[in-house]
Amino acid sequence: SQQGEEDPQALSIQEGENATMNCSYKTSINNLQWYRQNSGRGLVHLILIRSNEREKHSGRLRVTLDTSKKSSSLLITASRAADTASYFCATGIIQGAQKLVFGQGTRLTINP
Amino acid sequence: NAGVMQNPRHLVRRRGQEARLRCSPMKGHSHVYWYRQLPEEGLKFMVYLQKENIIDESGMPKERFSAEFPKEGPSILRIQQVVRGDSAAYFCASSQQTGYMNTEAFFGQGTRLTVV
Repeated sequence: SQQGEEDPQALSIQEGENATMNCSYKTSINNLQWYRQNSGRGLVHLILIRSNEREKHSGRLRVTLDTSKKSSSLLITASRAADTASYFCATGIIQGAQKLVFGQGTRLTINP
Repeated sequence: NAGVMQNPRHLVRRRGQEARLRCSPMKGHSHVYWYRQLPEEGLKFMVYLQKENIIDESGMPKERFSAEFPKEGPSILRIQQVVRGDSAAYFCASSQQTGYMNTEAFFGQGTRLTVV
């Protein structure tokens, strides 16, 4: 099964509203990262939060990490149509070598 | 500073042919990762390489798939005797430090392989 699982799988909101996406994982992690992928494009790194951090901000993005619950959330405030994309969480883990393990993603649609 | 460069962007192969996907990491990055993405799905880890070394190939199929990252030149993901199930987007990422401890990975735009 997937190390990281996003919830919900799809989210549709009105422009200006806040969007919250959640990510759960199973094993111990070094860090957790959020990426955005526009349709048919590569992944863009949004934010990295280390395992000893609880919250991090970057512009309109706010990420929280709860290692006791093995979960993270990504909040996008004051959403814009340009935020429409798929959002993936990826956990930095050590399985022999260090690598990123991705979840299935949340497909976010911002309606104008 | 150019980002991670992948080519070709699109590749069409007939069943049984070979596919070669190239990835040039960001300048100064010596760690390369390959991922495969099926439509509407997340990225599946395939292989992690450093210069001239395969560090972790646990996600790569044992047959027909191989990867290399030579001392000079790009990393190559090679798929021999392609089948329709190999159709996917293949993404390469590079990072600067050892693994992903505290640094992000930078992704290329991907190569979309279609097997007809």
